[in-house]
Amino acid sequence: GESVGLHLPTLSVQEGDNSIINCAYSNSASDYFIWYKQESGKGPQFIIDIRSNMDKRQGQRVTVLLNKTVKHLSLQIAATQPGDSAVYFCAENGNSNSGYALNFGKGTSLLVTP
Amino acid sequence: GAGVSQSPSNKVTEKGKDVELRCDPISGHTALYWYRQSLGQGLEFLIYFQGNSAPDKSGLPSDRFSAERTGGSVSTLTIQRTQQEDSAVYLCASSKGASRETQYFGPGTRLLVL
Repeated sequence: GESVGLHLPTLSVQEGDNSIINCAYSNSASDYFIWYKQESGKGPQFIIDIRSNMDKRQGQRVTVLLNKTVKHLSLQIAATQPGDSAVYFCAENGNSNSGYALNFGKGTSLLVTP
Repeated sequence: GAGVSQSPSNKVTEKGKDVELRCDPISGHTALYWYRQSLGQGLEFLIYFQGNSAPDKSGLPSDRFSAERTGGSVSTLTIQRTQQEDSAVYLCASSKGASRETQYFGPGTRLLVL
């Protein structure tokens, strides 16, 4: 019979190029957003976060942009390296009454080719 | 410093058996979370502990799932009468406790129910 696989959105970039990973959210009450990186067999690793009173935040080689008008979040990775290959998740707190529990997206798989 | 640790890293059990999963949070973190990640999916919130307050159990999928946190530190997630659909990676995270603080994840326990 036919097998059904789970397919993550995949972004393939060349080493040295910039990467942009996008995320949409639906809850206008969300006021805290995080990006996590997850390598195979490991737990999610914190990359960068942003609160709703900001629209841009920069870290080392990474930038997060928040557009509350269209409920859109993006992660930009500069000069992408092979070690950046992983699944990237955005998360927000809009579905939690207390603001503590995070609601995660399905993830985007980033593949960096030499 | 030491991060979040979880044990066992892998667990294979038979349908109908009970399992216990352990989480050691980062020292000094008062908030502790359990999430579940099914194959190729994002993370699903299960339960949240904050200090000595009553836990937020709103994410537990059934009454077969329970969790304890003794002494405000180590937590145990128990699944009774395991089912095959319980197979997943169970991830623990901790944070300093204030809302909208970064959650740091452990490596997870990979549970396979045969």
